[in-house]
Amino acid sequence: AQTVTQSQPEMSVQEAETVTLSCTYDTSESNYYLFWYKQPPSRQMILVIRQEAYKQQNATENRFSVNFQKAAKSFSLKISDSQLGDTAMYFCALGVIQGAQKLVFGQGTRLTINP
Amino acid sequence: KAGVTQTPRYLIKTRGQQVTLSCSPISGHRSVSWYQQTPGQGLQFLFEYFSETQRNKGNFPGRFSGRQFSNSRSEMNVSTLELGDSALYLCASSLFAVSTDTQYFGPGTRLTVL
Repeated sequence: AQTVTQSQPEMSVQEAETVTLSCTYDTSESNYYLFWYKQPPSRQMILVIRQEAYKQQNATENRFSVNFQKAAKSFSLKISDSQLGDTAMYFCALGVIQGAQKLVFGQGTRLTINP
Repeated sequence: KAGVTQTPRYLIKTRGQQVTLSCSPISGHRSVSWYQQTPGQGLQFLFEYFSETQRNKGNFPGRFSGRQFSNSRSEMNVSTLELGDSALYLCASSLFAVSTDTQYFGPGTRLTVL
């Protein structure tokens, strides 16, 4: 069975700091997709970043970047120059391609950016 | 383009009743997936529909069912409601596949079972 683990239920940093959210996953497949989604308070969930497993280069989107370690099955998210608008629940997700396709989510990390 | 919409936004039901939730995907998106979000279990995949066919299903009892119409709109039904069904139900749409494409989420339907 595929699983996703986010070991930090809550994190809190000061505005402008850099913060890293951890995510580990387990799958027996060689190809899959990994995602970070953001759910701001009372707002819709949106994609932060997407990574295809067979691409070794780490994905980046402006201030957001990932550290993808395929052998270690680790997919951490780094937020640089954090802003108040980054306050949200962050979910790591694994896209299972083989067999019964689905999206498996971690439990989430509640990130608070303090002024 | 208009985003994913879900109706109703809030629902209160009693145990034993049934409920139907609706989801309208982004125009052109053919894949619609449903998720249950609770504080204890997090986000769990319910099922995915593509071209009016259920393509994948999560580990939920048969009380949870759904369908998709020719215009890609989808409905989810929960029969014989239990207290544990209280949750935020999210719908998401994408171009083709739940496991590879960016999912665009709706605002959710908050279901409370009394």
